[in-house]
Amino acid sequence: GAGVSQSPSNKVTEKGKDVELRCDPISGHTALYWYRQSLGQGLEFLIYFQGNSAPDKSGLPSDRFSAERTGGSVSTLTIQRTQQEDSAVYLCASSFSGKGAFFGQGTRLTVV
Amino acid sequence: RKEVEQDPGPFNVPEGATVAFNCTYSNSASQSFFWYRQDCRKEPKLLMSVYSSGNEDGRFTAQLNRASQYISLLIRDSKLSDSATYLCVVFRSGNTGKLIFGQGTTLQVKP
Repeated sequence: GAGVSQSPSNKVTEKGKDVELRCDPISGHTALYWYRQSLGQGLEFLIYFQGNSAPDKSGLPSDRFSAERTGGSVSTLTIQRTQQEDSAVYLCASSFSGKGAFFGQGTRLTVV
Repeated sequence: RKEVEQDPGPFNVPEGATVAFNCTYSNSASQSFFWYRQDCRKEPKLLMSVYSSGNEDGRFTAQLNRASQYISLLIRDSKLSDSATYLCVVFRSGNTGKLIFGQGTTLQVKP
């Protein structure tokens, strides 16, 4: 497709379970970002991939969070042993380096 | 201090008003600048890039002052549909280059 695609769009999970969120960036975009946003709050940076460079993981809130980007394209954000405070909208964006990024519609995660 | 600072507002203005948002950034290595718009419960959308010479897109004008590390967005003839949160964004170049988002300024245009 032409835009950034994220799946699932909604995910409800039980506390303590692991979840995987997927992001399919715009073809050819070298940069990929993950953010999360709680209701009424600003964007919280999580992780940034740029080409073949080591990812910037400085925003990951704990070691329960990890992300991969395979083949410079699709990315997966994994949250292990989910907690209620992990409930948020997880947003993925892609861009050419230094250019404005385009966002997917997000995955709304609810931990019950 | 946050790397990109914005007044969170809210700015409440009547239809037809002109409104200006300001943003400051602290890292002089910042290379590219953008304004995004985010509607309630939606993803942010790129509104416009910001250039040193200033640029205009219809009712929207963006300005960049590199010396003062300051970015602005002016909206003329506000419409109800302009109600949203406006995010100031800078791309910080270098080994740790990435997009840095401000917390956003909320605009509410009233009839």
